[in-house]
Amino acid sequence: QQQVKQSPQSLIVQKGGIPIINCAYENTAFDYFPWYQQFPGKGPALLIAIRPDVSEKKEGRFTISFNKSAKQFSLHIMDSQPGDSATYFCAASIKEYGNKLVFGAGTILRVKS
Amino acid sequence: ETGVTQTPRHLVMGMTNKKSLKCEQHLGHNAMYWYKQSAKKPLELMFVYSLEERVENNSVPSRFSPECPNSSHLFLHLHTLQPEDSALYLCASSQGFGAYGYTFGSGTRLTVV
Repeated sequence: QQQVKQSPQSLIVQKGGIPIINCAYENTAFDYFPWYQQFPGKGPALLIAIRPDVSEKKEGRFTISFNKSAKQFSLHIMDSQPGDSATYFCAASIKEYGNKLVFGAGTILRVKS
Repeated sequence: ETGVTQTPRHLVMGMTNKKSLKCEQHLGHNAMYWYKQSAKKPLELMFVYSLEERVENNSVPSRFSPECPNSSHLFLHLHTLQPEDSALYLCASSQGFGAYGYTFGSGTRLTVV
C-alpha cells in the first residue's frame, strides 16, 4: 500500500523525442506527487510536483499528467535534450503521515544527440 | 554555503573500522533524513529526525547509529559494517516533513571492503 511502482527501468530516446516515465500507486490517501531528477555524483533534486486536485502541471519542458481514477501519474519531457540524461524518481506522500516521501525505483534516461 | 552539504564525498572502510558521515543544512529546515541508495533499488529511508528528535527508524541494523545534535547537523556513525552496506548514503532536509519537497545533499559513496 505504501509502494510506488515506476516504469520503465531505463529509457533511451533521440534528441527532440518525448520520453514518458510512468508511476502507479495503491494508497488513495497519497496527496502529493513529486518528481526528482538525479545526475551522476549528485543527490536527487526536486523537478516538479502535483497534487491530486489537478490533472496536469507544466513547468518548462516538463509535464506531469495525473490520473486519479487509475491511480497513475507520469512525467513527460518535451523536446528532450542530451542534458536531460539523468535518473528520474517519482514519489508520493501523505500529509497525515507527516508528508514522508515514498520513492519509486527510478528510471535511467539517456537522450542521444 | 547554501543547501545540504555532506562529507566526506567518498569513504572506503574495512569491516572492523568505525567512521562517521556528516550532513549540514543551511536552509533553516526542521526535519532531516538519512537515505540509502543502492543500484536498481528504490531510495530506502533509514532515519527521520524532527526538531532533533528521532521520529522514525526503519528497521535499520544497529551498526548504523544516527545522531542529531541540533537542527542543522546530522551524523551517521558506522561500525562493523558488511560489504552489502556499500551504497550511496544521502542526507535530506525539509520544512515540516516535506510538504513542499526535500532538499538532498550530494551523498557519501561508501565502500566496505
